[in-house]
Amino acid sequence: AQKITQTQPGMFVQEKEAVTLDCTYDTSDQSYGLFWYKQPSSGEMIFLIYQGSYDEQNATEGRYSLNFQKARKSANLVISASQLGDSAMYFCAMREITGFQKLVFGTGTRLLVSP
Amino acid sequence: KAGVTQTPRYLIKTRGQQVTLSCSPISGHRSVSWYQQTPGQGLQFLFEYFSETQRNKGNFPGRFSGRQFSNSRSEMNVSTLELGDSALYLCASSNRGRDTQYFGPGTRLTVL
Repeated sequence: AQKITQTQPGMFVQEKEAVTLDCTYDTSDQSYGLFWYKQPSSGEMIFLIYQGSYDEQNATEGRYSLNFQKARKSANLVISASQLGDSAMYFCAMREITGFQKLVFGTGTRLLVSP
Repeated sequence: KAGVTQTPRYLIKTRGQQVTLSCSPISGHRSVSWYQQTPGQGLQFLFEYFSETQRNKGNFPGRFSGRQFSNSRSEMNVSTLELGDSALYLCASSNRGRDTQYFGPGTRLTVL
């Protein structure tokens, strides 16, 4: 069964610094997708970045990059130049090829950016 | 383009009642998925609809049901509400079968 593990319940970072949020996954599928979502206190899940299991290069989207290490089954999110508005919950999620649109989420990491 | 909309945003019900939540996907999106988020269980997949057909279902009791209409709008229904059904219910839509899902703001259900 697929599983996502986020071991950091909370992270603190100062404004303008970079931060890495950890995510490891477990799946028996060869084809899968990995996602990161941000959830502010308002509750809406905001899509940040996607990495396919066959993508050879790490995904990047503006200040977000995904450090994908397939052999180690990790998909860490790197946020560069943190901003106060980055304070939120961050969820790592996985979709297996056989699961259509079913996402399996980790427990999340709460990021707090201080001035 | 307008995002995913969910109505109502907040709902208070009592045990034993039933509730219907509505989700309007992004224009052109044909897949709608529903998730339940609770402090204890986290985010859990409920079901997914694509072109009015349920394609996948999570591990929830039969009290949880859904449907999708020809315009891709979706509803989910919970019958005989229990205290443990109190949660944030999130709806997500995507264009094709395996595209990125975009979420709505959620409906916060409180069962008293």
